Amino acid sequence: GEDVEQSLFLSVREGDSSVINCTYTDSSSTYLYWYKQEPGAGLQLLTYIFSNMDMKQDQRLTVLLNKKDKHLSLRIADTQTGDSAIYFCAESDYNQGGKLIFGQGTELSVKP
Amino acid sequence: EPEVTQTPSHQVTQMGQEVILRCVPISNHLYFYWYRQILGQKVEFLVSFYNNEISEKSEIFDDQFSVERPDGSNFTLKIRSTKLEDSAMYFCASSDNSDANSPLHFGNGTRLTVT
Repeated sequence: GEDVEQSLFLSVREGDSSVINCTYTDSSSTYLYWYKQEPGAGLQLLTYIFSNMDMKQDQRLTVLLNKKDKHLSLRIADTQTGDSAIYFCAESDYNQGGKLIFGQGTELSVKP
Repeated sequence: EPEVTQTPSHQVTQMGQEVILRCVPISNHLYFYWYRQILGQKVEFLVSFYNNEISEKSEIFDDQFSVERPDGSNFTLKIRSTKLEDSAMYFCASSDNSDANSPLHFGNGTRLTVT
């Protein structure tokens, strides 16, 4: 079945860039998402990309998609302590609209 | 900004009891979902709901589970006879009607603890 994998932890210094990586297996993925979860809170949609795109930028966030390698990354520029959270990658298949397959989440720790 | 709201934020129940988790999706959304996250595991899809019926459900969503949209605003998940392994964070989500693949907006979750 479909699978989405992420590394579990990432630690960066305040002001540096963070890059969170994700790989997926479903070749018919049509949408790929990044969600952020702060402690005790829900899943906040950060950004998403259609599978026919290879890059999307939104302020400090840059999403890169390598469809050939089924690799997705989220770059956060000028990382702040408020960016500390768990970041989830998720994919959906057009034929299964709304059914997201999530990765296990990457815990980002930002040190001052 | 409109948001999905879930109540209660934390529910403790005894094994064998029935629980109802409540959600108010974003008002103009027509697709509704329940997901769950067992502690330390991935967020898993349970069920999707559109046009007053289940459109898809996972293997987890067995006969113990049911969903309902009792009025124009609420969307509920009922677990008839809770088991210890039902302890998890349950997330409700909704998306608009422009496309079934429109981004899902999640609530803050209900933490269910079964003792």
